[in-house]
Amino acid sequence: NAGVTQTPKFQVLKTGQSMTLQCAQDMNHNSMYWYRQDPGMGLRLIYYSASEGTTDKGEVPNGYNVSRLNKREFSLRLESAAPSQTSVYFCASSELVWGGSYEQYFGPGTRLTVT
Amino acid sequence: QKEVEQNSGPLSVPEGAIASLNCTYSDRVSQSFFWYRQYSGKSPELIMSIYSNGDKEDGRFTAQLNKASQYVSLLIRDSQPSDSATYLCAVNMGLTGGGNKLTFGTGTQLKVEL
Repeated sequence: NAGVTQTPKFQVLKTGQSMTLQCAQDMNHNSMYWYRQDPGMGLRLIYYSASEGTTDKGEVPNGYNVSRLNKREFSLRLESAAPSQTSVYFCASSELVWGGSYEQYFGPGTRLTVT
Repeated sequence: QKEVEQNSGPLSVPEGAIASLNCTYSDRVSQSFFWYRQYSGKSPELIMSIYSNGDKEDGRFTAQLNKASQYVSLLIRDSQPSDSATYLCAVNMGLTGGGNKLTFGTGTQLKVEL
């Protein structure tokens, strides 16, 4: 049971290049999330998918697109990378626990630098 | 006003002492509260969740929730050097009907000194 996996671990892009960050989970969770983490800003939600076939914007969606490929996989795409997108990106998935709440579990992260 | 606030620290405690980490939040309807531990260069790891007022204990960790005062805290007893990390407070600001949208504080850095 690998939990949440992300690829790649590190990436350097030039301004204007595109790339897709991959995320997969093997815990049979319905909901998946993409966050970015910047110094002094904390974790901020980019997009989420409450269930297979649905996606919604989070707090900072501009410049990103997502695809919920199937129940296991949720990808994040940067169409035209900008230096402001230099960050650490985390994928998470969540399960329903007693009481109606959801507990989120995070992948190892992708460290992206845009020059 | 930030929605979830934490003192950034660093909070320094001697080994064996109790570390007390605090978090306040702005949304009165929040129902779920979480503490994550994040080591430098690593991903956040869920260590505690709490949903009702009062205390919840798990090993050396105790989470405390006071909804009337809108604060949640984490106590770490018998602190160890391995507890040195950044602790993130997260609050569920609204259900999405199949998941939850968490708002995170910026974290408190804890240093446990020998």
